[in-house]
Amino acid sequence: AAGVIQSPRHLIKEKRETATLKCYPIPRHDTVYWYQQGPGQDPQFLISFYEKMQSDKGSIPDRFSAQQFSDYHSELNMSSLELGDSALYFCASSFLVDRGTEAFFGQGTRLTVV
Amino acid sequence: GNSVTQMEGPVTLSEEAFLTINCTYTATGYPSLFWYVQYPGEGLQLLLKATKADDKGSNKGFEATYRKETTSFHLEKGSVQVSDSAVYFCALSGDAGGTSYGKLTFGQGTILTVHP
Repeated sequence: AAGVIQSPRHLIKEKRETATLKCYPIPRHDTVYWYQQGPGQDPQFLISFYEKMQSDKGSIPDRFSAQQFSDYHSELNMSSLELGDSALYFCASSFLVDRGTEAFFGQGTRLTVV
Repeated sequence: GNSVTQMEGPVTLSEEAFLTINCTYTATGYPSLFWYVQYPGEGLQLLLKATKADDKGSNKGFEATYRKETTSFHLEKGSVQVSDSAVYFCALSGDAGGTSYGKLTFGQGTILTVHP
């Protein structure tokens, strides 16, 4: 079965550079979520999209932006990167959001800022 | 706001031992509760879930019961295997409608290591 695809899997950037992370949800899923997981930390919700519209916002820095495109894939754009942005970034997708909706997670993009 | 608290880890057990990982939560309304597992280098996988009080989620020998009176969702397994070694996250999602149903608040995670 198709899963959530994230690219790239690994990314190394220097401070003050820009990074773009991509997420391809499971086909027919209409909702995408982005999470940030720092070393030894629990995943923290960043932002979500439903039917290509931003639906909820969490602890996402102003330096970050995201969007969902007409084909439902999503991109997380990160500018002026800081050392503290080094983390594992997960994308998750779901369909027909309801109580107990299961979110399917991708394998994540490991971003290292040097 | 919503929050989830897991027992301090890591947990180290011998194969076939009994496992309990405690999880308590704070939330308004009637959240749904989940346990996710993360294997090294992998994403999060749903292990089990419960959507209302007294529901029991179960999968692969793991169980957890939604206890509203104690705001808890403890994970248990009667006999662990080496292959169960992973990080386990307790999580909840809200009931405010829309994408709040899928937005997860996670606990700190518990590292489980099972030795032969």
